[in-house]
Amino acid sequence: AQSVTQLDSHVSVSEGTPVLLRCNYSSSYSPSLFWYVQHPNKGLQLLLKYTSAATLVKGINGFEAEFKKSETSFHLTKPSAHMSDAAEYFCVVSDRGSSGSARQLTFGSGTQLTVLP
Amino acid sequence: DAMVIQNPRYQVTQFGKPVTLSCSQTLNHNVMYWYQQKSSQAPKLLFHYYDKDFNNEADTPDNFQSRRPNTSFCFLDIRSPGLGDTAMYLCATRRESSYNEQFFGPGTRLTVL
Repeated sequence: AQSVTQLDSHVSVSEGTPVLLRCNYSSSYSPSLFWYVQHPNKGLQLLLKYTSAATLVKGINGFEAEFKKSETSFHLTKPSAHMSDAAEYFCVVSDRGSSGSARQLTFGSGTQLTVLP
Repeated sequence: DAMVIQNPRYQVTQFGKPVTLSCSQTLNHNVMYWYQQKSSQAPKLLFHYYDKDFNNEADTPDNFQSRRPNTSFCFLDIRSPGLGDTAMYLCATRRESSYNEQFFGPGTRLTVL
């Protein structure tokens, strides 16, 4: 079974300061991990993904995440927050399962990021 | 640009009045998904198609049905909407490859009055 825990339901930062959104996962097999962003009344946009290649993954808009197997974590970071980063962020896991085929996505509960001027 | 399109973007319907939401894709992906997302919650998978094979989640109400007439289109039919069905409905696609991510449409915001 796979699961995702987003440790903070709300994060508030000042513009220009670093962003850290925390995510821990549980997976029985080699997982794929994703971060999606959702702006109000919009669909989900993929920020970045980890699929067993480099453990430090760079995404769009200056975001990056590091896969740490020993800590079962996949935290999302950005060096300097921008007002346009204010949105809901979802950490998502998908693993192959014993048959080797991709399973469905399992979503975290989401983290609402607020950026203060 | 290849994309996932949902129509309408906003839909208001009355309690019990059937409604159909539409999703189309130009990505030629063989897997399509429908999610329901209520306010301040994560998306919840309703069902998905693997080509023409329909896969229903165990807890999806019978009130929700789906059709996929061809690779490009998929429809979500709500036969008798209740107030609790007010939500954002998201369509997503995936290419049949182990690690490929899902591509989401912009969603249809449904309000049941």
